[in-house]
Amino acid sequence: RKEVEQDPGPFNVPEGATVAFNCTYSNSASQSFFWYRQDCRKEPKLLMSVYSSGNEDGRFTAQLNRASQYISLLIRDSKLSDSATYLCVVNAPGGYNKLIFGAGTRLAVHP
Amino acid sequence: EAGVAQSPRYKIIEKRQSVAFWCNPISGHATLYWYQQILGQGPKLLIQFQNNGVVDDSQLPKDRFSAERLKGVDSTLKIQPAKLEDSAVYLCASSLLRRTTTYEQYFGPGTRLTVT
Repeated sequence: RKEVEQDPGPFNVPEGATVAFNCTYSNSASQSFFWYRQDCRKEPKLLMSVYSSGNEDGRFTAQLNRASQYISLLIRDSKLSDSATYLCVVNAPGGYNKLIFGAGTRLAVHP
Repeated sequence: EAGVAQSPRYKIIEKRQSVAFWCNPISGHATLYWYQQILGQGPKLLIQFQNNGVVDDSQLPKDRFSAERLKGVDSTLKIQPAKLEDSAVYLCASSLLRRTTTYEQYFGPGTRLTVT
């Protein structure tokens, strides 16, 4: 079983749509969770951290369910500029800031 | 603030040749990471330095890969000899470090390696 699993997509959605990405992780001892965004042929960049209570940043909402070891990212009112790969990221327990990346979910927003 | 610098940006070599990549982290970041990202996959950690010491190299193929971080700043990653399956983007990242907090990692633009 992969340590971090994501639906690879691609998700093809029209502008203005709401889209949700899911992610599961295998190590119940993980304590830190993130979504990174990676544009085509670019480096990953932190989109947002994920907190137990859920958190929102503009059109983006992240949720964490520790019991199910499940993380989600919701994007409302999709923009063309949201087209990218979204990487689910989990820290490795006991590691020195070691992160484990999922393979990513690709999003394509069209006019 | 300057970001993480990497060079070269692109490299094409033949199998069995050697290659080296260079990384300069963000000033003041004690932790430096080298990742390998194969097409269609997420970044995979190869090696992690805390200052100039290695804290994790569990996924580094040590028979052909080596890395160093002299003086706790710049780092080089070397592959010798290269194999076809080493074709990937090699990403360098840096971060601050505290044991009780996970800090954001900042990535460089990467080096795209093609082995023919």
